[in-house]
Amino acid sequence: DVVMTQSPLSLPVTLGQPASISCRSSQSLVDSNGHIFLNWFQQRPGQSPRRLIYKVSNRDFGVPDRFSGSGSGTDFTLKISRVEAEDVGVYYCVQGTHWPLTFGGGTKVEIK
Amino acid sequence: EVQLAESGGDLVRPGGSLRLSCVASGFAFSSAWMSWVRQAPGRGLEWVAIVEGDADGGTAHYPDPVRGRFIVSRDDSQNTLYLQMNSLKTEDTGVYYCAIYKSDRYDSRPYLPNWGQGALVTVSS
Repeated sequence: DVVMTQSPLSLPVTLGQPASISCRSSQSLVDSNGHIFLNWFQQRPGQSPRRLIYKVSNRDFGVPDRFSGSGSGTDFTLKISRVEAEDVGVYYCVQGTHWPLTFGGGTKVEIK
Repeated sequence: EVQLAESGGDLVRPGGSLRLSCVASGFAFSSAWMSWVRQAPGRGLEWVAIVEGDADGGTAHYPDPVRGRFIVSRDDSQNTLYLQMNSLKTEDTGVYYCAIYKSDRYDSRPYLPNWGQGALVTVSS
């Protein structure tokens, strides 16, 4: 199975400041058609996960534009341009290019 | 609006059985590949079952930790997904989420776009 490694494990951030989360895969996530199935999820405390980003950089409906995704091959990044209080939670990367689907271990974003 | 509503979570003894249900609405359920994803207390996410859509054969898939103990099924006439869990172990404790895996085989925006609120399963003596 593809191993997804996120860093950091914990990310204390100041309100209004940017935040960046890294996700690395154990093998390339580019499929035979050139698609990259790398998604990002947010899980606020006490809530279900919510998908923010699909296929590396596409925001889901209703996701604020302060969230952005980038990357290629094996290295991916989720950026929050200006952290707000409602962004507190755990963020997961997930790959779907290779069967089976695999999750990163999560990055906890908290306010300093 | 897509809605997924799980039910059936409970406290069960090790070795026991439990069945979870997930009622779906707001999308073409029969063609959707559906999944169950669990989260142990304070831990990350782990898929425990995926079932293909009707048009793709409806095959079920399981990871090693639950294969042979869990059975996923679907009733497309009732827009309902099930997870039968047998021979439960303490390590099966967690919140079980029903989620759309992908809308169909050709979904261009696949992999877990919608989730239910979760059902708590506690396996303890």
